[in-house]
Amino acid sequence: KNEVEQSPQNLTAQEGEFITINCSYSVGISALHWLQQHPGGGIVSLFMLSSGKKKHGRLIATINIQEKHSSLHITASHPRDSAVYICAVGGSQGNLIFGKGTKLSVKP
Amino acid sequence: GAGVSQSPSNKVTEKGKDVELRCDPISGHTALYWYRQSLGQGLEFLIYFQGNSAPDKSGLPSDRFSAERTGGSVSTLTIQRTQQEDSAVYLCASSLSLNQPQHFGDGTRLSIL
Repeated sequence: KNEVEQSPQNLTAQEGEFITINCSYSVGISALHWLQQHPGGGIVSLFMLSSGKKKHGRLIATINIQEKHSSLHITASHPRDSAVYICAVGGSQGNLIFGKGTKLSVKP
Repeated sequence: GAGVSQSPSNKVTEKGKDVELRCDPISGHTALYWYRQSLGQGLEFLIYFQGNSAPDKSGLPSDRFSAERTGGSVSTLTIQRTQQEDSAVYLCASSLSLNQPQHFGDGTRLSIL
């Protein structure tokens, strides 16, 4: 069993839809990261959180430490949100253990 | 401002050759990480540096892999006697200190013929 599990693996949505990507982990962590990887390959850090909830624009990330679960929400989705979203958990030294990613495609 | 810079962006080499990949982190970032993304696979951690020190080398796939960092800045990842399974995108990231948000470079795409 992978230490970081994401679901769904693939997600297709219509523009404007509310999107949720889930992440569960089985190891102790110092923080959880949500990353975005565009088709060109570049990776951007969206959130780093260790408790509660963070919001940035149309993106919201939540984490439940007791349940070892995090969700990434995208409100009012747009085609430019199409990318691979990766959940990663940080160990005590900050090195990341990655989920396999969720490929999101938002259709106009 | 300048982000994390990696060079070369692409490298094609023959099996058995040595390759050296370079990472120039954001100025002032003390932590530096190397990751690998193989075709169709997820990202995997290789090694990290805090300053010039690499406390944990257990993520390196084999003893053909080594890394160093000098002056608390530039890092090089060296792969000796390359094998076809080494083909991947090698990504570098840096952060202000350990356990801070990481900033990723664009990666080096390594192809072993």
